[in-house]
Amino acid sequence: EVQLVNSGGGLVQPGGSLRLSCAASGFTFSNYWMSWVRQAPGKGLEWVANIKQDGSEEHYVDSVKGRFIISRDNAKNSLDLQMYSLRAEDTAIYYCARGGTHYYSSGIKYFDYWGQGTLLTVSS
Amino acid sequence: SALTQPASVSGSPGQSITISCTGTGSDLGGYEYVSWYQRHPGGPPKLIIFDVSNRPSGVSYRFSGSKSGNTASLTISGLQTEDEADYYCSSYTSWNTLYVFGTGTKVTV
Repeated sequence: EVQLVNSGGGLVQPGGSLRLSCAASGFTFSNYWMSWVRQAPGKGLEWVANIKQDGSEEHYVDSVKGRFIISRDNAKNSLDLQMYSLRAEDTAIYYCARGGTHYYSSGIKYFDYWGQGTLLTVSS
Repeated sequence: SALTQPASVSGSPGQSITISCTGTGSDLGGYEYVSWYQRHPGGPPKLIIFDVSNRPSGVSYRFSGSKSGNTASLTISGLQTEDEADYYCSSYTSWNTLYVFGTGTKVTV
């Protein structure tokens, strides 16, 4: 059974940093692009970042470029999102999701499994 | 920017409803990579349609998807109370954001 388990959320002051993690199991993690998707309170879903199977390629939504770093450890079947210079508008539930492949790569162009989500609150 | 969906759609048990998702030639109109997600309160999104009209294993046949030009649609037939949830469309996009989601539609049964 495919499982994605999110962890690491919490309350952070503006300007602070936090690292989110996602533990994957039940599938060959190294075969898939992985993504982070967030949902701010009262808002819709927003794709945040993705990373290629071997970690050699990453993409980000413009609003987090230069502040967030997505990474993965295929030996540990884990996906991380390191967040810096956090802003109030980053407050959201963050989900890791399997998929979200870049157009020029083979792989699924959708998100077929999702973690349960972890809440990040940026507030003073 | 986000794909446009109606804020809410309602129907009676057994009826059919259709949710529209409108974009541009840079997303819906340019790619056959449309997906739909169902989200019940407090839970994560669940994939119900991928690549415009394909259903993942285990998803009810009552869910079907289509696309014409810059507009995609999700139809739920034989509406059931368990279908009451939020629904989001998504598409690959040529914009830097790579993937864009719809504004979301609350379905009430």
